[in-house]
This record gives sequence, C-alpha cells and structure tokens, in this order.
Amino acid sequence: GAGVSQSPRYKVTKRGQDVALRCDPISGHVSLYWYRQALGQGPEFLTYFNYEAQQDKSGLPNDRFSAERPEGSISTLTIQRTEQRDSAMYRCASSLVGRLAGYNEQFFGPGTRLTVL
Amino acid sequence: TQLLEQSPQFLSIQEGENLTVYCNSSSVFSSLQWYRQEPGEGPVLLVTVVTGGEVKKLKRLTFQFGDARKDSSLHITAAQPGDTGLYLCAGVGDSGAGSYQLTFGKGTKLSVIP
Repeated sequence: GAGVSQSPRYKVTKRGQDVALRCDPISGHVSLYWYRQALGQGPEFLTYFNYEAQQDKSGLPNDRFSAERPEGSISTLTIQRTEQRDSAMYRCASSLVGRLAGYNEQFFGPGTRLTVL
Repeated sequence: TQLLEQSPQFLSIQEGENLTVYCNSSSVFSSLQWYRQEPGEGPVLLVTVVTGGEVKKLKRLTFQFGDARKDSSLHITAAQPGDTGLYLCAGVGDSGAGSYQLTFGKGTKLSVIP
C-alpha cells in the first residue's frame, strides 16, 4: 500500500542553482497539494492541482517557483535560481477529491528537505 | 487572508495529566481538521469537525468545533508519552480562487514526560 512518495528526501544545492522536487501521489487521487513547512511550524500552502490543472498557485512566493502535473499524476515543483531563504521542508499531499462537502483528507508525503548553501 | 492562531505554542506535561489545545480564527471555515505530526513524518489526520458545536471523541482525545465555526479545541485526557508530537489545526475553506485548500495553524508542540 504505497502512500505519497517524494524524491529526493534531501537536497543540498548552491545558491543560484535550479532544483526540481518530485511528488508521486497515491494512485487514483485527484488532488495534489504542495506545502512548505518550517521546522516546528504548520505547513504553508503553495499550490494545488486537480488532475493536471493547476487550480490555485496563490501561495507560490515568487516567479522563481513553478509546479506542473502534466499527466495528472506525478508532480514536479521547480525552484529556479535558488536562494538561501528557500531552505525548508517541502511537502506534498494528495486527496481523493478536490471538493467534497467542504472537507476531505489529505495524505502527506515524507517531504524533501532542501538546503541552499 | 484567513489565519489560525494556536495556543499554547509549547506544552510540556507529566504523564497522566489533562490538557487542552486551542485553535482560533477571525474567519469562518466550512470545516476544521486536526492533524498530528511526529518528527520526520508528515501530518496525519486525526479528525474533521464540520458542524458548529460539534464534539467528536477519539479514545482519550475530544475535539470541539465552536458554534460560530471560527474556533476549535482539542482536549487530551490522561496524556501518555505516545501523545507527544506537533498538533496542527487546519481550516478548510474556499480560497476565493475557486479552489479548495487547507490553512494550517503554527501548531502546538506537546511533550508528555513519563
């Protein structure tokens, strides 16, 4: 029973480099979410997909951040020209449906710890 | 912007004690969820409360949703070391962009000392 998987689990990069973070949601889950989480804090919403359509990207900090989910399954979060302030845990979550009577359950992945030197 | 305030931010108690964690907002949410997160893991859903005034129990955990659907509380009876973790409340609501998302509080870090 595979849950949400993310790769890599750890990524160390130099300032100015581009990074791509991958999320593989639970099979059949329609919705996919990206969050950023600081140590000891709650997740901060970045962006959200229903199938392959990006429904909301209002949480992306700036235009260096982008995400795609071309076939409605695996998603990639790309950060261009990384900066030290981008260092954080990036978490992906998936859920069976996007909207269901106002609530549903999101299943979170283990996250990718990004460190920008 | 909808914000959720959680209190206390940190809580350290002895095994067997009772505790309450609060989650407050100035905004109304269609529902509210509580998650628990252990170190190195992602948050795991504990409960969803939907109706104003609703009370749900999960073993020693009691969750309550405020009548106005702006606040919630989590009460743990006879805390055990296994309850240690980061407790997060998350409001479920329409972002206004026609999409659905969770707004998380900053969490309450609970330590239960044996």
